Amino acid sequence: GAVVSQHPSWVICKSGTSVKIECRSLDFQATTMFWYRQFPKQSLMLMATSNEGSKATYEQGVEKDKFLINHASLTLSTLTVTSAHPEDSSFYICSARYEAGKLYEQYFGPGTRLTVT
Amino acid sequence: SQKIEQNSEALNIQEGKTATLTCNYTNYSPAYLQWYRQDPGRGPVFLLLIRENEKEKRKERLKVTFDTTLKQSLFHITASQPADSATYLCARPYSGYSTLTFGKGTMLLVSP
Repeated sequence: GAVVSQHPSWVICKSGTSVKIECRSLDFQATTMFWYRQFPKQSLMLMATSNEGSKATYEQGVEKDKFLINHASLTLSTLTVTSAHPEDSSFYICSARYEAGKLYEQYFGPGTRLTVT
Repeated sequence: SQKIEQNSEALNIQEGKTATLTCNYTNYSPAYLQWYRQDPGRGPVFLLLIRENEKEKRKERLKVTFDTTLKQSLFHITASQPADSATYLCARPYSGYSTLTFGKGTMLLVSP
């Protein structure tokens, strides 16, 4: 149980275009999902917290107009990188929160490798 | 701010030995800590969660301890195998039961 899928697994796009990444919780409902970015040999950096039916909460330094997040249902959150630039090339990973009473286990998707040329 | 520190140097051990990874945290003890495994180019995989009031937790060949006095969690893999080679991440909630913050992870290399 507690499987999270992500699509696409990798994408190459040209500078200035937009890319949408989907994150789905397959066998549980997630009112809260998270989007992380990870550079090589670095830790996971939280970009934003996505709450179903409301606006996402962005971490300091993350441009909300550049990284658009939509959490329209309890099993789907999307991240759109708008007007992508080479510096946006990274590994993007989503996570869905599974609530077991007061404890929160987070389950991660397999990640999306974005390369902007 | 809440920080998680893991040894950034890779841990090299021989197959069959016990691997021990360390996670140190700052400020107050979290309600729980979590350990994840991450393979290259993949998302982290949840392994274990240990609560503040639990000294030790086991799952098959894995064992995690939580020492609130030392502000430290130890992650052990007994009878290690080359397939255990990966990066292991420690995580704690920012506050209370909230969003997780992750350490940089420690790479484990198990040689045959």
